[in-house]
Amino acid sequence: NAGVTQTPKFRVLKTGQSMTLLCAQDMNHEYMYWYRQDPGMGLRLIHYSVGEGTTAKGEVPDGYNVSRLKKQNFLLGLESAAPSQTSVYFCASSYTGLLSTDTQYFGPGTRLTVL
Amino acid sequence: LAKTTQPISMDSYEGQEVNITCSHNNIATNDYITWYQQFPSQGPRFIIQGYKTKVTNEVASLFIPADRKSSTLSLPRVSLSDTAVYYCLVGPNNNDMRFGAGTRLTVKP
Repeated sequence: NAGVTQTPKFRVLKTGQSMTLLCAQDMNHEYMYWYRQDPGMGLRLIHYSVGEGTTAKGEVPDGYNVSRLKKQNFLLGLESAAPSQTSVYFCASSYTGLLSTDTQYFGPGTRLTVL
Repeated sequence: LAKTTQPISMDSYEGQEVNITCSHNNIATNDYITWYQQFPSQGPRFIIQGYKTKVTNEVASLFIPADRKSSTLSLPRVSLSDTAVYYCLVGPNNNDMRFGAGTRLTVKP
């Protein structure tokens, strides 16, 4: 049982390049989330998914797209990377998200630098 | 969304009890209070959650007064490995909870 895994762990992009971050969970969770964390700040929700085939915007969705084609995977895409997207990205999942009593399980993070 | 306020940082020494207080004046009736812990270069990890009064688990205790406008995370006899950032979150569901800057706890020998 690996929990929540993220690929890649590190990535450096040039401005304007695109990339996809992959999140996978093996806990059969319905809900999945993408957060970003900037230095000295807490995590901010980018997008989330309440189930396979569904996605929704979070607090800071601009510049990102997501897809949830399979229940266990949640992809975060940057179509045209900008230096402002330099951050650490965390994926999380929960059994449901209907109640805050459903604990979120986080992945180890992806450190992205956009030059 | 209920806004939370907690100290930016705290220092402690090994073996001491640490209490981190979080203020959430506009907490709603159906909001729960959840605390997460984050070590450097790792994702946050759930510590404890409560609705009212006191909750205790193997890691911490959570004290919530009757008016629920604040909560206190208590870590008994901290060790160096408890050095981390602690986040207080309030909300009815995961999508409506917000991670603030958290409290950076440093435990010294």
